[in-house]
Amino acid sequence: NAGVTQTPKFRVLKTGQSMTLLCAQDMNHEYMYWYRQDPGMGLRLIHYSVGEGTTAKGEVPDGYNVSRLKKQNFLLGLESAAPSQTSVYFCASRNGEEGQPQHFGDGTRLSIL
Amino acid sequence: GDSVTQMEGPVTLSEEAFLTINCTYTATGYPSLFWYVQYPGEGLQLLLKATKADDKGSNKGFEATYRKETTSFHLEKGSVQVSDSAVYFCALSVDTGGFKTIFGAGTRLFVKA
Repeated sequence: NAGVTQTPKFRVLKTGQSMTLLCAQDMNHEYMYWYRQDPGMGLRLIHYSVGEGTTAKGEVPDGYNVSRLKKQNFLLGLESAAPSQTSVYFCASRNGEEGQPQHFGDGTRLSIL
Repeated sequence: GDSVTQMEGPVTLSEEAFLTINCTYTATGYPSLFWYVQYPGEGLQLLLKATKADDKGSNKGFEATYRKETTSFHLEKGSVQVSDSAVYFCALSVDTGGFKTIFGAGTRLFVKA
């Protein structure tokens, strides 16, 4: 089982460039999430989606946009990258039953110069 | 708001030592509680969970009991191995419409041979 797949795994950008991170899950999960992980700060929720065609803001949404055009895909966009967005980005998904865990991808390591 | 507090690391132990990582939480309602583990270069993966008070989650020799009276979910293992070296995250999930998960900051564990 592929589970949750994130592409790319690594990327270096210059300040002001744009890019899109792709997350794909093959578990038919309704809920999908984007987090960033920074040293000493755990995981912070950027945006999430409760189903195809829906998105919502998380804890740190500024500077990011998302889209969920297909149930299995959740895209995270940076329109104008800033050095403060250097981080490791994780995508996760889960089903709608209570008590179920989130399933994570292996992350995208993004550096903004 | 909901929050999770876990002991700061790093925690360094010798092989076969006893492990405790403390975790306390604040939540409205009745959260599900989780421990996730993250190995280098990977995403988080579920270690164990408990969905109601007095439940004990267990996996791979790790255990944690959902204590509602002390709002705690401490992780324990009787005899750690070098392969247990990783970062451990305590987390809670409540159904607030998005099944959002709140993560602690993570505790890094080093086990020496």
